[in-house]
Order: sequence, then C-alpha cells, then structure tokens
Amino acid sequence: KNQVEQSPQSLIILEGKNCTLQCNYTVSPFSNLRWYKQDTGRGPVSLTIMTFSENTKSNGRYTATLDADTKQSSLHITASQLSDSASYICVVTHLYGNNRLAFGKGNQVVVIP
Amino acid sequence: GAVVSQHPSRVICKSGTSVKIECRSLDFQATTMFWYRQFPKQSLMLMATSNEGSKATYEQGVEKDKFLINHASLTLSTLTVTSAHPEDSSFYICSAPRGTGKRSSYEQYFGPGTRLTVT
Repeated sequence: KNQVEQSPQSLIILEGKNCTLQCNYTVSPFSNLRWYKQDTGRGPVSLTIMTFSENTKSNGRYTATLDADTKQSSLHITASQLSDSASYICVVTHLYGNNRLAFGKGNQVVVIP
Repeated sequence: GAVVSQHPSRVICKSGTSVKIECRSLDFQATTMFWYRQFPKQSLMLMATSNEGSKATYEQGVEKDKFLINHASLTLSTLTVTSAHPEDSSFYICSAPRGTGKRSSYEQYFGPGTRLTVT
C-alpha cells in the first residue's frame, strides 16, 4: 500500500474558484511534508514545506495545512488561475533513512475559463 | 531560478545504444542526489540514490548494470542508460537535498527532467 494517498485523483475547476486537495500518509516518524506543483513535462517545483510542528503554511494563493495526529494534509488553492493547471504532489520525508521520500500519485488539476 | 539542472532535456536514441543524463546542483554541494523515473500520469518512482565518492544505492527491481550512476563531484551526478530499449522510454528526474539552515531540515530540489525516447 502506498504510504501517501492523495484525493481526488483529478478535478476540473472554473477559473477564479477555490479548491482543496487532500493528502493522507502513513509515514512515521516523518521529518517534513511538502507540496509540489508539477507542470506537464517538467520537474516538480516546491510550493510549501512543513515540519511536524507546523499546522499551516502559505505561499501566495496556496495554503497547506497539516494535522500530524491524523496524518492528513491539505492544499488549498484560492482564486484559481489557468496557470494552476498541473499535478500537485504530496511528498513526505522519512525522519530516518537519508532523506528518503514517499510520493503521492498527485492530484491532477485542470482549470478551465 | 533553478538550483538543479539536467542535461539534456530531451533525447531520442536507437534501441541498443547508451544515453547519459547529467544532473547538476548549481549553487550548492550535494553529497547525495536521487534519480527517479516517471511514467505518464504516474508518481515519481525512486530508482537509486547517488552518493558522492561511493557506490550508488539502487531500489529493488532496478538493474544497476543497466542504469549506471556516477557521482563524480559534489555538484554532478550522471545516469547512463545502457543498451536502451523502448520500454526504457520515460521521464527521468533527479533531485538534490539542500539544507535550509534549520536542524535536520532539507529542501528537496528537483531537476527539470529528461524525456528519453528509445526507438
């Protein structure tokens, strides 16, 4: 079973609307949790990074939350833009093991005008 | 700007030939780099951990004789796909961890990826 599960797998939203992406993980103990944005044919680009003691982190229109007790994280996109169309990947770093990463399969977001 | 680069960004090669992909950390040193493979609409899959000055560590199921990794310096790791076959066609991505200044905290920077097509 994958250690990082993301939902929904894909979604389509209207430009200007908000959306929330979910990430559930089983990695324990963990060092940090990151959200990345990956455009098609590109490498992932970091949006937020949170340690276990942080509950929320914002980066412009992106706001990530983390509940280390329930092992859940979310990424909220506010006032979506066409350029937000991408795959959003939740990545959890194992506390031990040379920065080993556990990847979710990503949330595929398509923003339509 | 980008802190991890990859070269080439795209490569097309014939079946049976070898292809080398470079991964560079641009403004920091990386004793460890990671190589991933990503198929369409799939997550990144870790192939191996590249260690400067020592042998790479391969994930289960990854043939080390087929995917040769050399971490020649603190800023360069190379992945060579030997005797490439069409099933090796994929998107190859590297990453390098960089300390954030906080204890035990690293930011993982990914390269832009290399699209390999084997004909």
